[in-house]
Amino acid sequence: QKEVEQNSGPLSVPEGAIASLNCTYSDRVSQSFFWYRQYSGKSPELIMSIYSNGDKEDGRFTAQLNKASQYVSLLIRDSQPSDSATYLCAVNPGNSGYALNFGKGTSLLVTP
Amino acid sequence: DADVTQTPRNRITKTGKRIMLECSQTKGHDRMYWYRQDPGLGLRLIYYSFDVKDINKGEISDGYSVSRQAQAKFSLSLESAIPNQTALYFCATSDLTGYEQYFGPGTRLTVT
Repeated sequence: QKEVEQNSGPLSVPEGAIASLNCTYSDRVSQSFFWYRQYSGKSPELIMSIYSNGDKEDGRFTAQLNKASQYVSLLIRDSQPSDSATYLCAVNPGNSGYALNFGKGTSLLVTP
Repeated sequence: DADVTQTPRNRITKTGKRIMLECSQTKGHDRMYWYRQDPGLGLRLIYYSFDVKDINKGEISDGYSVSRQAQAKFSLSLESAIPNQTALYFCATSDLTGYEQYFGPGTRLTVT
């Protein structure tokens, strides 16, 4: 079983702070990594994808990937109450181009 | 209009009944997926399809069947519903790389 691990939280940060969400994965040959945001009762929404080591920035979001450590993270700068949601880490294994393995998600609460 | 639609959005049914959940997409994607989401268990893959002639079992296919009627339509059936199939069901699509998956709004199914 390919594992994708996330701290379930809740992670609570004050408005304007940086929220740091972490994810580890067990399949060393994994090639593609994704972050989804899911509001309560809604569907997951793709917010970031990252395929190579290093940082990828998109607006207030930065994804970081370290394949040697099998670690991927999401930073949210200037956190807003509207960022309060569950963030799902997903990993596409290297030996299949189809299935995503999802972590169980980290609940983020941004307090005004 | 939404790119991925699911019907019904909510359904309550009784144990032993047959039920079909439908998914349609206008994204032009070849690959389609069915997931279920349970509290504390995350998203789990039920079935996936690369094209109309290709259907594959996912992690938890027992008790489910699928039909790919066209490139744009992928249906999930519960032949004889049981209470532990109560969950939130999501359809997703991706292009041929399978890297980025896009989710429909979900169907909340309750089996009594």
